[in-house]
Amino acid sequence: DTGVSQDPRHKITKRGQNVTFRCDPISEHNRLYWYRQTLGQGPEFLTYFQNEAQLEKSRLLSDRFSAERPKGSFSTLEIQRTEQGDSAMYLCASSLVGETLQETQYFGPGTRLLVL
Amino acid sequence: RKEVEQDPGPFNVPEGATVAFNCTYSNSASQSFFWYRQDCRKEPKLLMSVYSSGNEDGRFTAQLNRASQYISLLIRDSKLSDSATYLCVVISGNTGKLIFGQGTTLQVKP
Repeated sequence: DTGVSQDPRHKITKRGQNVTFRCDPISEHNRLYWYRQTLGQGPEFLTYFQNEAQLEKSRLLSDRFSAERPKGSFSTLEIQRTEQGDSAMYLCASSLVGETLQETQYFGPGTRLLVL
Repeated sequence: RKEVEQDPGPFNVPEGATVAFNCTYSNSASQSFFWYRQDCRKEPKLLMSVYSSGNEDGRFTAQLNRASQYISLLIRDSKLSDSATYLCVVISGNTGKLIFGQGTTLQVKP
């Protein structure tokens, strides 16, 4: 257990429904990342936050996806109007970055999404 | 072309064997390099960082060749518990975002 938690661990939904995932990072970690992993592939970067500011979004993050980190602690990832292609493992990672910009990212257990 | 490329395997080896994984990356400006391990249906976990001078952690040795944009991982005396997917990871720029290879699957058999 790395100290990063994600909820729910599994989600089954029907196409067209909205889903929201939560990530609680390690306390005091200032960076929080979201990745997506499909079967047989490595994780792919989606977006990241430095404290409460969302600093970068991948082109993979279509307008159906939105992420927030309102108080610089936990984060939510919402997918609207889900499609079957959204089925994947959604991973959250957190890190503490200082002046040297050196960091180690610790991953949560992931939320496995299946869209029927 | 993917930014980080790995042979997906699988590599099937007997206990005690030495096995090597290779990885290439396309962005010459990449700054940091890692190997992560991922067990089936689990999250990735950092195995080791990779430095130009090479680094060793017990049975694991990682090497970086910046000129060839090539990263390697050597596992000696492999154990059953080494069975997992090994992910080659690169960071480019200051954002810290990890760029993962597809992963190489290792299966160590008794």
